[in-house]
Amino acid sequence: GAVVSQHPSRVICKSGTSVKIECRSLDFQATTMFWYRQFPKQSLMLMATSNEGSKATYEQGVEKDKFLINHASLTLSTLTVTSAHPEDSSFYICSARGTGYGETQYFGPGTRLLVL
Amino acid sequence: DAKTTQPPSMDCAEGRAANLPCNHSTISGNEYVYWYRQIHSQGPQYIIHGLKNNETNEMASLIITEDRKSSTLILPHATLRDTAVYYCIVRGYSGNTPLVFGKGTRLSVIA
Repeated sequence: GAVVSQHPSRVICKSGTSVKIECRSLDFQATTMFWYRQFPKQSLMLMATSNEGSKATYEQGVEKDKFLINHASLTLSTLTVTSAHPEDSSFYICSARGTGYGETQYFGPGTRLLVL
Repeated sequence: DAKTTQPPSMDCAEGRAANLPCNHSTISGNEYVYWYRQIHSQGPQYIIHGLKNNETNEMASLIITEDRKSSTLILPHATLRDTAVYYCIVRGYSGNTPLVFGKGTRLSVIA
């Protein structure tokens, strides 16, 4: 299957700082990327959908000014958590879908964010 | 997208077949059934998907009933590494529609 990478895999930051998470599709062009968040013992919750070169579409309840998403190329999307607070601590997972692999959606390994 | 119902948990003996059921009684004609699994602290892993015919790959088999209202994922010889949460998701095949995750089935493979 297709490979999606995320960096960093784990980050610890102080409250009030911003954190950027990168998501890359390594062997296919991702026309659409998705960002999910997962709290302990819960399922994945969709945060936003982005298409290359377009503004992201955010799910209800997700603050677009807090979670900045950039999908500048067909292989890279970034999620920036601005002014992070302890309640933003979570497991963030990106996902990508491209035409080369029959529209199947593939997931990155996730980034664990801990805000102190 | 149609909603799915899965048992919250299942056990399976190592080496035996694991049969994971999924109900999707409101599935529409152009929606596919996807299966993913999530091993602890990792991103979800794609397993298999199908429309109406049974499908098989190196990981698993997918059996879809004739009326498409339910399906079963079969892991033919479960190993301890198959312990994970398995998600059955129904979604249209194209467009920007993302996968929406339910609670899934926590499969425990026991030695």
